[in-house]
Amino acid sequence: EVQLVQSGAEVRRPGESLKISCKGSGYTFTSYWIAWVRQMPGKGLEWMGIIYPGDSETRYSPSFQGQVTFSTDKSISTAYLRWSSLQASDTAIYYCARQQGTLDIWGQGTLVTVSS
Amino acid sequence: EIVLSQSPGTLSLSPGERATLSCRASQSVSSTYLAWYQQKPGQAPRLLIYAASSRATGIPDRFSGSGSGTDFTLTISRLEPEDFALYYCQRYGGSPTFGQGTKLEIK
Repeated sequence: EVQLVQSGAEVRRPGESLKISCKGSGYTFTSYWIAWVRQMPGKGLEWMGIIYPGDSETRYSPSFQGQVTFSTDKSISTAYLRWSSLQASDTAIYYCARQQGTLDIWGQGTLVTVSS
Repeated sequence: EIVLSQSPGTLSLSPGERATLSCRASQSVSSTYLAWYQQKPGQAPRLLIYAASSRATGIPDRFSGSGSGTDFTLTISRLEPEDFALYYCQRYGGSPTFGQGTKLEIK
């Protein structure tokens, strides 16, 4: 079964760092782009950008450039989304998804809560 | 940047009825790059339609997509209880963007 499994919910304070993960299985992880999508509470979907696990090429949406960092570890078929200094406005559900044009396979989402 | 506007914001219908959801683009979009997703509460989105009118794997044939240029439509021919959810259109390719969503609720 093709699937993406994300790490569990996280609670952090403003200014803290965080890295969440997305593990792929059931397909050749290095051959498909992984996208990250944000969904703020009660809001719609925002495409943050993509990373290609085969060579770690990244493309960020202008809205998220410089705010987050994508990375991958091919050896364990895992993609990561990292913040160096969280803000309260980063509170959201973050989804990873396999992108081949469309987003055809989605992770279950990771809820990130940033609160003092 | 292409902006997608979905209407209505909320659509109230009964099971068995026909649902018509609209997605309008601020400039012409190739139909090759228009998709629809369904999101149920507490779940990740699911791909329904790609290339404006092609159903994704496992999607029932009561779901259909149409349109071209700046106007696209998702039609659900006969609503089942499990179809009441949020629906998003998306322009993919380049820098993907989503519409703001249409909530399909039970009347």
